[in-house]
Amino acid sequence: GENVEQHPSTLSVQEGDSAVIKCTYSDSASNYFPWYKQELGKRPQLIIDIRSNVGEKKDQRIAVTLNKTAKHFSLHITETQPEDSAVYFCAAPMDTGRRALTFGSGTRLQVQP
Amino acid sequence: ETGVTQTPRHLVMGMTNKKSLKCEQHLGHNAMYWYKQSAKKPLELMFVYSLEERVENNSVPSRFSPECPNSSHLFLHLHTLQPEDSALYLCASSQEGGGEQYFGPGTRLTVT
Repeated sequence: GENVEQHPSTLSVQEGDSAVIKCTYSDSASNYFPWYKQELGKRPQLIIDIRSNVGEKKDQRIAVTLNKTAKHFSLHITETQPEDSAVYFCAAPMDTGRRALTFGSGTRLQVQP
Repeated sequence: ETGVTQTPRHLVMGMTNKKSLKCEQHLGHNAMYWYKQSAKKPLELMFVYSLEERVENNSVPSRFSPECPNSSHLFLHLHTLQPEDSALYLCASSQEGGGEQYFGPGTRLTVT
């Protein structure tokens, strides 16, 4: 099945700096890569996703890049703000029918004001 | 609200109790999921139901028993749980074939 590894596990940045979180996956057939944000005490919510037919996708201060050859994808947050503080999860489809997602272990991002 | 609700939000149960968690989605999705979230394994898939048929078990102990009577409702029946089963149990739904999963708020379960 798909194996997703996520780094770093914790990340602390100063407000206004950029943050980058990286994930690698094992199944070269995977074609959908979402990122979820989970604020303290709240449910995970999708913030951005990318499909394998594009290399980069941007939404305001958030971007995701995909390198299919190297089998890794990254989340980039620019001009970080304190409200960006949360746990971020990457994911990729499980191999069985592509119905379910395998999640990374999460990155706790702390933005220092 | 995301359209996925879960009850109860908090549950404390003894190891000999039987209880059930309920999930309901109002998004017209046809796939539903149970996840366990703990410090050890942040988002661990337990069960997948697609078109009301269970398609993924993921080697979960038999003390957890899912039920999906229709595409809008999902239950997780619990019996003779262990303290290590204490965790946040999250329900999610999506359209068949993958894509964005919408999560419920979760049930915080404590087994004493």
